This record gives sequence, structure tokens and C-alpha cells, in this order.
Amino acid sequence: NAGVTQTPKFQVLKTGQSMTLQCAQDMNHEYMSWYRQDPGMGLRLIHYSVGAGITDQGEVPNGYNVSRSTTEDFPLRLLSAAPSQTSVYFCASRIGRGTQYFGPGTRLLVL
Amino acid sequence: AQSVTQLDSQVPVFEEAPVELRCNYSSSVSVYLFWYVQYPNQGLQLLLKYLSGSTLVKGINGFEAEFNKSQTSFHLRKPSVHISDTAEYFCAVSGPQYNQGGKLIFGQGTELSVKP
Repeated sequence: NAGVTQTPKFQVLKTGQSMTLQCAQDMNHEYMSWYRQDPGMGLRLIHYSVGAGITDQGEVPNGYNVSRSTTEDFPLRLLSAAPSQTSVYFCASRIGRGTQYFGPGTRLLVL
Repeated sequence: AQSVTQLDSQVPVFEEAPVELRCNYSSSVSVYLFWYVQYPNQGLQLLLKYLSGSTLVKGINGFEAEFNKSQTSFHLRKPSVHISDTAEYFCAVSGPQYNQGGKLIFGQGTELSVKP
């Protein structure tokens, strides 16, 4: 199993550009989440999903969209990038009350 | 709603000394508690978790934590640290909905720096 994979690893955007951060898992996990990590603020939940077709907002959802058309994939879309969205983004997945596994992260810089 | 506070942003310690990383949580319902570790430029990996049962939980790499309901704490301890334990440590909490995909909420993180 590849576990949780994220692409790209690094990305530089200009203010106002849009992009999609990809996340995939091959463990047949029901639950998937997106977090952002900023210095001194820990990980903050952006959006999460409890299954295909079902998504919900986390702590900091503004400026981000998600969809879950398959069990495996959970892309995160930035509609119009802002410098405040400069961060490291982590995708995670789990099943039931099992361990939550994290991807390697995507570093995003918005100029 | 649940929340978690890590009381120390940085903890410097000498090699082979004991260490305690402090975590307090807030919740009006029963909780599940976790400690994760993040090595430089990597993702997070689970150290240990408390779901139910014994309040003393043992994890990987010699770490353990104790769930204290009366003090709403879940402090992480290791009796003797190594240089390789240098990393950032995150405490996380979830409510009873964790079984059905409930949110996992993280603290601000504690940077453990082990010096020779």
C-alpha cells in the first residue's frame, strides 16, 4: 500500500490564481480530512469527509472547496489564492476508530 | 465542542534526561485522546492513543501518557530521551463521534529539543 499520497510537494502561486491539491489513499478508508499547519498554531482542520459524496466544514474552511466523488480521492481546491493561504497542507485518512494516517504534505507559497 | 491546549511551545532537555510534555483538553462529553510526532520535513505519525480502558497508555519509542479525567489532562512522558526524539509533538482530541468520522482537533504543538 502507498498509504496517503499528496501532490504536488511544493507549489508557488500568485495571488488570485486557483489550484487543486490532490490527495489519494489506497486503504479503503471511509474518513478523510484536510489540515493546514502554520507555525505556532498546530494543525487546523479545513474540511473533512465521512464518505463518498459527504463533506463538512472544519475550523478554517473559508477560501477552500472540497468534493469526494470516490472513496480514494479527496481534492482540496483553492478558488482564489491569497498570501494568508501560504502554509503546509496535510491530508489524512482513517477507518472507524482506527489510527489516522497522514500524507507527506504540500508546501504552498502564495505571492 | 472539544479543544486542546499544549502548555509548552518549546521544551529543551539534555539527552538521557526524563521529559514531560503537557496537554490539557476541554470537553463536556467523553473524549478520545492522541499524541502524534512530526520529525523535520515529514508528516505526522501516531505515538499513542487513549480510546478507553486503562488510563496509562504506552506507545512507540518508549513514550507513555496518562489520561486524567479529573484534571482533564493527557501528559506525555519518557523516562530517558535520545537525540533522535527531537521533533514536534502534537496532542489531539476527539469526541464520541470519532467512531463515525468525527473531527480530530489538534493542539498548537510542542517542540522537543534534545541536546547532547
